[in-house]
Amino acid sequence: TQLLEQSPQFLSIQEGENLTVYCNSSSVFSSLQWYRQEPGEGPVLLVTVVTGGEVKKLKRLTFQFGDARKDSSLHITAAQPGDTGLYLCAVLEDDKIIFGKGTRLHILP
Amino acid sequence: DAGITQSPRHKVTETGTPVTLRCHQTENHRYMYWYRQDPGHGLRLIHYSYGVKDTDKGEVSDGYSVSRSKTEDFLLTLESATSSQTSVYFCAISGWFGQPQHFGDGTRLSIL
Repeated sequence: TQLLEQSPQFLSIQEGENLTVYCNSSSVFSSLQWYRQEPGEGPVLLVTVVTGGEVKKLKRLTFQFGDARKDSSLHITAAQPGDTGLYLCAVLEDDKIIFGKGTRLHILP
Repeated sequence: DAGITQSPRHKVTETGTPVTLRCHQTENHRYMYWYRQDPGHGLRLIHYSYGVKDTDKGEVSDGYSVSRSKTEDFLLTLESATSSQTSVYFCAISGWFGQPQHFGDGTRLSIL
């Protein structure tokens, strides 16, 4: 069983549309990180959420940590081609660093 | 960008040969990590280091060894490469364990 389930696995939408991707688990975490990875590059940290119910905004990206700290969502408003990439969530669990398999997002111009 | 350099960026080699990948950092971070990234599996931790000569195993450590003789360098060695080790390998660094990590740009390794 995958500790972190990311959904959807793939998403292809038109430029200007809104979207939400999810990172879910049955475990409680002290914090959760979101990364974006572009082809041929390593993941780049977008945000860390630490408090249940916390909302963080990064320009058109809104990150939310679930009240029970078991899940998180990433909402993108008015998606742009530059948002294309693999979005990964990650947690620290029992001294192990766990990454989800990611959501591959493609924004069509 | 955090100062992390991986070398080589690409390598093709044959089954049974030894392979060493290098990660070099200029940030003086305590923790360094080696991951592999494969379709359907995502990023998986191979080994990590928490100081010079201090290393520990990750989720998929079998067939890999590491060494850290200096703060800035972390080496990943495949003693006898197998085709199942064909992957993209990423190095990462952080100030403490589990802290958000800065990643290198990866090494694409093909074992034929």
